[in-house]
Amino acid sequence: QVQLVESGGGVVQPGRSLKLSCVASGFTFKNYGMHWVRQAPGRGLEWVAVISFDGNKEYYLDSMKGRFAISRDNSKNTIYLEMNSLRVEDTAVYYCAKDRGHCSGGTCYSVGIWDSWGQGALVTVSS
Amino acid sequence: DIQMTQSPSTLSASVGDRVAISCRANQSIGTWLAWYQQKPGKAPNLLIYRASTLQNGVPSRFSGSGSGTEFTLTIITLQPDDFATYYCQQCHSRPWTFGQGTKVEIK
Repeated sequence: QVQLVESGGGVVQPGRSLKLSCVASGFTFKNYGMHWVRQAPGRGLEWVAVISFDGNKEYYLDSMKGRFAISRDNSKNTIYLEMNSLRVEDTAVYYCAKDRGHCSGGTCYSVGIWDSWGQGALVTVSS
Repeated sequence: DIQMTQSPSTLSASVGDRVAISCRANQSIGTWLAWYQQKPGKAPNLLIYRASTLQNGVPSRFSGSGSGTEFTLTIITLQPDDFATYYCQQCHSRPWTFGQGTKVEIK
């Protein structure tokens, strides 16, 4: 079965950096777009970023552009989220999620529907 | 960005009840809508996508309907395991956005 396991969360001071990882198993990782979605304590869900199946395309929520970077290593079935210039308001549980996309004609498409999620990594930004 | 609004924010119901949660988009999204269930301390779980297609393994007491800007998640015969928070999400265009959530609690 699909399994996504995040790591790298913790407590960090404002302005500092942190890098999250998510290791995937149970599916053909290189065929799917992968996302990060976050949830601040007691709040709703917020999409953060997506990376295409081959790592060639990345998209971000505007408030993360220039501060966050998503990447992937298909040889390790792993995606990453590098977070820089962290702010107190970035405090949240960060989930990695698998896109429910499909492949056709040699290209795989992300559809922004998430059919598998990790357990989440808590990032706390505090002085 | 597309804004999603759910109602009600909280819904009190009893086991066996039929409940309906509404979700409205501020522009037409066709049927590009998904519903998720989230329990405390857990990751969300996909229930329905393309407005009305049940994800594999989701009980048939869950159903979705709607298109354009108005959508509904219906749970017939509410079960104890269904008390949770439900989110709608538009998958029409980036940035993908969620409603604020509807908490279904025990009456």
